[in-house]
Amino acid sequence: DSGVTQTPKHLITATGQRVTLRCSPRSGDLSVYWYQQSLDQGLQFLIQYYNGEERAKGNILERFSAQQFPDLHSELNLSSLELGDSALYFCASSVGSGGRHTDTQYFGPGTRLTVL
Amino acid sequence: DAKTTQPNSMESNEEEPVHLPCNHSTISGTDYIHWYRQLPSQGPEYVIHGLTSNVNNRMASLAIAEDRKSSTLILHRATLRDAAVYYCTDFAGGTSYGKLTFGQGTILTVHP
Repeated sequence: DSGVTQTPKHLITATGQRVTLRCSPRSGDLSVYWYQQSLDQGLQFLIQYYNGEERAKGNILERFSAQQFPDLHSELNLSSLELGDSALYFCASSVGSGGRHTDTQYFGPGTRLTVL
Repeated sequence: DAKTTQPNSMESNEEEPVHLPCNHSTISGTDYIHWYRQLPSQGPEYVIHGLTSNVNNRMASLAIAEDRKSSTLILHRATLRDAAVYYCTDFAGGTSYGKLTFGQGTILTVHP
């Protein structure tokens, strides 16, 4: 158990819908990262927040957005869902801003999103 | 983005050492080499990292070539629990913050 929690574990929805994935980082961690894992693209970095502010951005679609709240939990919002958005979405957290090599990322168990 | 290449799959027998290779063709002088692994139905977990010198921890050892263009993750005695996908990454840090770029990884199968 990494200490990172994600809800829900599974989510099934239809094309065109909007969903919100939630992540609670480990106690004391200030950074939250979101990754998408699909069969064809592998594990891809989406976005990072540090203490409420966006820090790094990867290949995140415009239909996707995220935020980190004052209590440090984070939400990833996915809208206008398409079949290709079906994937595992992982959240990770780390103590610092992620810029140092010692800033290990701890991953949650993931949310499996299925778009029908 | 930095790109690493790894064999698609490797097999080992339980209790035997396993050497998992990685090529870091685009690594820069200040990038660290990080290894993560993903057990079945779980999120990735950190294994080990290093810059130039070989590194050891309770999970594994990391051997880094002198030119840093390759690294090898060493599991000294594989167990069934080590069956996982192993990823090597070039960690830039700094203004890239915590962005990790994962390749396809190596699927390790451990036979009893």
